[in-house]
Amino acid sequence: DSGVTQTPKHLITATGQRVTLRCSPRSGDLSVYWYQQSLDQGLQFLIQYYNGEERAKGNILERFSAQQFPDLHSELNLSSLELGDSALYFCASSSRGQGVMAGNTIYFGEGSWLTVV
Amino acid sequence: EDQVTQSPEALRLQEGESSSLNCSYTVSGLRGLFWYRQDPGKGPEFLFTLYSAGEEKEKERLKATLTKKESFLHITAPKPEDSATYLCAVQYGTASKLTFGTGTRLQVTL
Repeated sequence: DSGVTQTPKHLITATGQRVTLRCSPRSGDLSVYWYQQSLDQGLQFLIQYYNGEERAKGNILERFSAQQFPDLHSELNLSSLELGDSALYFCASSSRGQGVMAGNTIYFGEGSWLTVV
Repeated sequence: EDQVTQSPEALRLQEGESSSLNCSYTVSGLRGLFWYRQDPGKGPEFLFTLYSAGEEKEKERLKATLTKKESFLHITAPKPEDSATYLCAVQYGTASKLTFGTGTRLQVTL
C-alpha cells in the first residue's frame, strides 16, 4: 500500500458527461501529480500541484482541469467526455515540489478506471 | 527531444533464467532514474531510485544499475511472481514530474 488513495476505483459514464476523480496523497506529501494511462500508451503526465498551487502542466486537454485543496487532497475534473478518454487515471504524490537536487520519489495510487461509452 | 526508451517490449523467461531489461534515456540534467513494477490494472509500485552513473541498488532478485546513457534492471533466477510490467522513468532539470518509458512486459513461466 503506497498510502495514496484514489476514488472511485471504477467509473462508467456516457460521452459528453462530466466526472470528478479524487485523490488523497500520502500523509505529509505536498505534491500531487495526475497521470493518464491508455491501453496503447504509457503513462502520460497531465498536471502537478504543490501545496495548492499548479506547478507543472503536461499533455492535459482543455476539457480537463484539476485543483488541490487546503487539506492537500486533489480532484481531477474531466468534462465533455469522449470515447478516447477511457483510460486509467493515476494520482501520485511526493513530499517535495521541484528544484530539489536529489531525486524526489513519487508514489502512485491504485488508479481510477474510467470507461466512456 | 527528451526521450526514455525501454527494451525489449516483452520478455518471456523460464523460472530461474536470468536476464536484463534496458532503459536508455536522452535528457539533460538527470536528477534521478526510477524503476517501478506495475501489475495489470494496478498502480506502479516503486522499486529503486538511481542518482548517478555507477550507482547500483538491489532488492531480492532485482538489481538496478545506471550509466550516463542507460540503466539496466537485472533479474536473477526469476520466479513466476516476478511477472509484471517494469517501468523506467526519469526526473530531470528543475521539474519533479517523472517521464516514463513504455515499459517491458515480463512473463516468467514454470
